[in-house]
Amino acid sequence: QQQVKQSPQSLIVQKGGISIINCAYENTAFDYFPWYQQFPGKGPALLIAIRPDVSEKKEGRFTISFNKSAKQFSLHIMDSQPGDSATYFCAARGSNYQLIWGAGTKLIIKP
Amino acid sequence: EAQVTQNPRYLITVTGKKLTVTCSQNMNHEYMSWYRQDPGLGLRQIYYSMNVEVTDKGDVPEGYKVSRKEKRNFPLILESPSPNQTSLYFCASSFKGEAFFGQGTRLTVV
Repeated sequence: QQQVKQSPQSLIVQKGGISIINCAYENTAFDYFPWYQQFPGKGPALLIAIRPDVSEKKEGRFTISFNKSAKQFSLHIMDSQPGDSATYFCAARGSNYQLIWGAGTKLIIKP
Repeated sequence: EAQVTQNPRYLITVTGKKLTVTCSQNMNHEYMSWYRQDPGLGLRQIYYSMNVEVTDKGDVPEGYKVSRKEKRNFPLILESPSPNQTSLYFCASSFKGEAFFGQGTRLTVV
């Protein structure tokens, strides 16, 4: 029940296309859902986050869609650029502010 | 500048030789944690600390030790490293679930 399942494991998208990464969870007590972006040789960094009382949050080309009833949330990257190539992690915050992590998605944007 | 500093960045060691990876944060966060990252397995939490002198096991604690004597420091200790501990390690400090990561330590045990 503490798991966060992330898919796909890897994704190749053409420049200008839409990248979509999905996550699903079971624990309805999770109260905060961040996405982290990790470039090679760097630690993950917070990209965008959403709370379960909101169905969508947009920051520039990055959008989180949240479906509370389905217990799913997804990251959409519009007009994907080669600079977006990175590994993306979803996470969910549980008790004591513990983050439960998805397994990560390696995104490659082809020029 | 708010940061989490890990040292060393790279380390090659031999089986059984004790080592310590240091981690320091300047954000006065109470919560700190250690992760290992392996291909296809994502981030797995090793240990975490909710405050000074308060530590607890994460998902993969075997073969590791930690201590939290000061708020800013959270070292990771491998008392007898083995080749299966070859990995990329990250320290993180968090505030209300927002995590700030260090640059990582790539450890190779031969």
